[in-house]
Amino acid sequence: SQQGEEDPQALSIQEGENATMNCSYKTSINNLQWYRQNSGRGLVHLILIRSNEREKHSGRLRVTLDTSKKSSSLLITASRAADTASYFCALRSGGSYIPTFGRGTSLIVHP
Amino acid sequence: DTGVSQDPRHKITKRGQNVTFRCDPISEHNRLYWYRQTLGQGPEFLTYFQNEAQLEKSRLLSDRFSAERPKGSFSTLEIQRTEQGDSAMYLCASSFAGPDVANVLTFGAGSRLTVL
Repeated sequence: SQQGEEDPQALSIQEGENATMNCSYKTSINNLQWYRQNSGRGLVHLILIRSNEREKHSGRLRVTLDTSKKSSSLLITASRAADTASYFCALRSGGSYIPTFGRGTSLIVHP
Repeated sequence: DTGVSQDPRHKITKRGQNVTFRCDPISEHNRLYWYRQTLGQGPEFLTYFQNEAQLEKSRLLSDRFSAERPKGSFSTLEIQRTEQGDSAMYLCASSFAGPDVANVLTFGAGSRLTVL
């Protein structure tokens, strides 16, 4: 099973700015999910996008998927200090029921 | 339902000792996963169950690790003869598997293991 590669590894912005992080992968996927992890805690599911979808929105989150480039992006608009966390993409490929995670993007939002 | 519960939250042990972690998933969820996470890394898959059947184990999982889910409800992860390299956060997650249902994981808060 493959894992995604998030980029950048770390991102530091001011409150109110937008944050964009990317996830690239190598082979075709069934779906791609984004999760958030606050320091020392478990992961929380944010949004799922299927391979036949190109864009999804949830509140201040916007996820895009470009299967031709094998990449996804997560945009957080009007960021808040509470958005400070690590963000992971998780891939599901083929017949596997095991979501595999990348190393994540560490986001710091300064108040 | 209070979500996925893990116990203990923290465990400090000496090298060579055995440790056991427990996970109580969301009651309607039939899939249960164990992941391991070290500092600065993403969760690394260890094993998963559908109901009481252990369907897959990572090749990285040594024979010192064993997991059970005896009645398809709670699960335990035991590490025998712990080594310092076992120090990590052990995460449990559960999901509902069904036709046309995406496999979205609900994670517990994790059990942090420190091996001295």
